[in-house]
Amino acid sequence: NAGVTQTPKFRILKIGQSMTLQCTQDMNHNYMYWYRQDPGMGLKLIYYSVGAGITDKGEVPNGYNVSRSTTEDFPLRLELAAPSQTSVYFCASSYPPSGGASNEQFFGPGTRLTVL
Amino acid sequence: DAKTTQPPSMDCAEGRAANLPCNHSTISGNEYVYWYRQIHSQGPQYIIHGLKNNETNEMASLIITEDRKSSTLILPHATLRDTAVYYCIVRVYFGNEKLTFGTGTRLTIIP
Repeated sequence: NAGVTQTPKFRILKIGQSMTLQCTQDMNHNYMYWYRQDPGMGLKLIYYSVGAGITDKGEVPNGYNVSRSTTEDFPLRLELAAPSQTSVYFCASSYPPSGGASNEQFFGPGTRLTVL
Repeated sequence: DAKTTQPPSMDCAEGRAANLPCNHSTISGNEYVYWYRQIHSQGPQYIIHGLKNNETNEMASLIITEDRKSSTLILPHATLRDTAVYYCIVRVYFGNEKLTFGTGTRLTIIP
């Protein structure tokens, strides 16, 4: 299994440009997540999905959009890039909770985005 | 979800046990304690989790105090590859699936 894969690894955008960060998992996980990590900080949840066709906002959703048409893919869309969106973006996936506890989240390698 | 407090950094000699503390004094009865680590700039990696009993797996042990207000992650024989930022997270099961990461503890293993 490849696990969670993300593309691209690096990207530089100009202010106002748009892009889509791709995330794919091959573990048949229902749950998928997008986080961002600013320098020296912990991760913050942007959006998450509990299954195909179902998405919900996390802590910092403004400026982003997501869709979930398949179990495997969970792309993150930036419509009008701003310097404040310069960050490292991580995608993760997991099985649903079981036995009273959340299953572990598996993280991708990240996409490093710079907006100039 | 309850907030956690961790020391910003710690050192540990290679081969010794690394003990990473976490305070979660406002934890409620249905909240679990989770530990993740992030090596360099990679995606975080799950280590262990527990509710109130001590837990052990192939990576680490988790000791939770009887009042559940604090916990300690133990890496029994630290190696250089254990150098990472370690995050202690508490989360409620009957809620959404958010993991709220603080700034963690930067553990450096000294040769």
